[in-house]
Amino acid sequence: GAVVSQHPSRVICKSGTSVKIECRSLDFQATTMFWYRQFPKQSLMLMATSNEGSKATYEQGVEKDKFLINHASLTLSTLTVTSAHPEDSSFYICSAPTGEGEKLFFGSGTQLSVL
Amino acid sequence: GESVGLHLPTLSVQEGDNSIINCAYSNSASDYFIWYKQESGKGPQFIIDIRSNMDKRQGQRVTVLLNKTVKHLSLQIAATQPGDSAVYFCAAKLSGGYNKLIFGAGTRLAVHP
Repeated sequence: GAVVSQHPSRVICKSGTSVKIECRSLDFQATTMFWYRQFPKQSLMLMATSNEGSKATYEQGVEKDKFLINHASLTLSTLTVTSAHPEDSSFYICSAPTGEGEKLFFGSGTQLSVL
Repeated sequence: GESVGLHLPTLSVQEGDNSIINCAYSNSASDYFIWYKQESGKGPQFIIDIRSNMDKRQGQRVTVLLNKTVKHLSLQIAATQPGDSAVYFCAAKLSGGYNKLIFGAGTRLAVHP
């Protein structure tokens, strides 16, 4: 079945540093990928839609300069949390449509902890 | 705008019983719905989906019911097992909104032996 691979699964960084999270579609091409954020015991909140070959579309309230998204190829999207601060600590999850209708498959998530 | 909510934040059931998890949505333009299961520290796992032109769909041990009149859907799990313990989310897509899913708050299902 379709697999979305996300890396790293866990990252701890110092405040002020930048962190890059990768999302790969392993056996299918994805012109669109979605980045979600999830705080403990809360639901998934859509941050942005990553579009291959064009700019990402950000949801209202999400800082595009803070969360840089690059969709460089049909199988890779990256989310860079720039100048991370403790309030950016969260679980970040990517997803991609596989072409099986509108079904989305999700990566395993990245737990970001900013000290 | 679209919002998807759940009636109960937690649900405790005995192993072997049937579980019913409910979800309400607000936007009648939603045309596609998915149920996901999320275990601690992992990404959501697809369970079952249903389009708005259907009112019922069955999978292995799971059934999704959709009532468009009251904008409500439910996930039924038959013979609940300890491995079913997780948080369950419903998600809805607006008609024309390419694969953009809005998630509900989630229900934690706890299965007791």
